[in-house]
Amino acid sequence: GAVVSQHPSRVICKSGTSVKIECRSLDFQATTMFWYRQFPKQSLMLMATSNEGSKATYEQGVEKDKFLINHASLTLSTLTVTSAHPEDSSFYICSARGPLGQNELFFGSGTQLSVL
Amino acid sequence: GENVEQHPSTLSVQEGDSAVIKCTYSDSASNYFPWYKQELGKRPQLIIDIRSNVGEKKDQRIAVTLNKTAKHFSLHITETQPEDSAVYFCAASLSGNTPLVFGKGTRLSVIA
Repeated sequence: GAVVSQHPSRVICKSGTSVKIECRSLDFQATTMFWYRQFPKQSLMLMATSNEGSKATYEQGVEKDKFLINHASLTLSTLTVTSAHPEDSSFYICSARGPLGQNELFFGSGTQLSVL
Repeated sequence: GENVEQHPSTLSVQEGDSAVIKCTYSDSASNYFPWYKQELGKRPQLIIDIRSNVGEKKDQRIAVTLNKTAKHFSLHITETQPEDSAVYFCAASLSGNTPLVFGKGTRLSVIA
């Protein structure tokens, strides 16, 4: 199956700093990637849809100025959590549909963000 | 937009018994319904999926049924084993480049 790589896997940072998370499609091109957030023992909540070469589409309630998404190439999307605060601590996970119009959503390995 | 409800939130079964998890969806236009298994701290892994032109699909001990009229679909795991213990999520979407909307998850515990 298609491989989606995500880095870093774990980040611990001080309140007020910014954190960048990278998501790469390793063996296929992904014009669209999806960013989800998952709080402990909760479901995956869609944050935004990242579109190559254009602005991301954010879900209601997600601050676009706080969660900056850049999809500059067909294999890389980045999520930057700006001025992180403890309430931003969560598991962030990216995903993309496979090549050739596959329905299956392939997930990155996720990033556990802890803001002190 | 789409809304997916999932029940139960927790489920405990004895090893060898069957487990059933049910989901309902709201958008009649949705046509793709996957089930994911997630172990603690890991990424979700697809275990089975079904499209709206099919009523049932089976893969060894796992089966999924879909009732489009009632807008609900179910996951059936037979002959459960301890390694089936995990959180299971249902989801729904349109096919193509649209995101999946997930249910809230079911924590399955298989007791040896």
